[in-house]
Amino acid sequence: SAVISQKPSRDICQRGTSLTIQCQVDSQVTMMFWYRQQPGQSLTLIATANQGSEATYESGFVIDKFPISRPNLTFSTLTVSNMSPEDSSIYLCSVELIEAFFGQGTRLTVV
Amino acid sequence: QKEVEQNSGPLSVPEGAIASLNCTYSDRGSQSFFWYRQYSGKSPELIMFIYSNGDKEDGRFTAQLNKASQYVSLLIRDSQPSDSATYLCAVSNTGKLIFGQGTTLQVKP
Repeated sequence: SAVISQKPSRDICQRGTSLTIQCQVDSQVTMMFWYRQQPGQSLTLIATANQGSEATYESGFVIDKFPISRPNLTFSTLTVSNMSPEDSSIYLCSVELIEAFFGQGTRLTVV
Repeated sequence: QKEVEQNSGPLSVPEGAIASLNCTYSDRGSQSFFWYRQYSGKSPELIMFIYSNGDKEDGRFTAQLNKASQYVSLLIRDSQPSDSATYLCAVSNTGKLIFGQGTTLQVKP
């Protein structure tokens, strides 16, 4: 198993600003994943973060909007840039282990 | 066709009954299958994972996988009101998870 710490747990942000979400894992992992869960919806994969290379984004998500860093094998950040109310969601990070675990998530509200 | 499909429900069962949650997937190369439970406002919690055809039991939960039919299910025996939540089916091929829309389960006392 893995312990995943994500912060902040929640935030309320003004439109047009950016928020960086941090994800820390207690063991080294090759891949980390970032998901978004919009209100009333299921989880959608934003991107896969690999250490030492650029993140791989899913269709509909772009680096300019969701820049990702992966400086080492235990840490990653996701930035939500130039936010609008449509970005109000829960953002979750996950790691690839035998069992796929999630952090506690970041509940973002954009006003 | 969605990659992972679930009936959104709500599925309503009486306390003590068996709840049966179903999921189909389109990618035949999928290798790992997960069931998550999510309470309102909370992060998804892993309940079961299964890789091989057949049944896997853990306490009151049984996951069933049929790769030929591209079908995975979750049975919850002796359902309790505390089992009331949204159950998410997820499928993985390369480590990343593709989720279904989730099934809302209501267990009535």
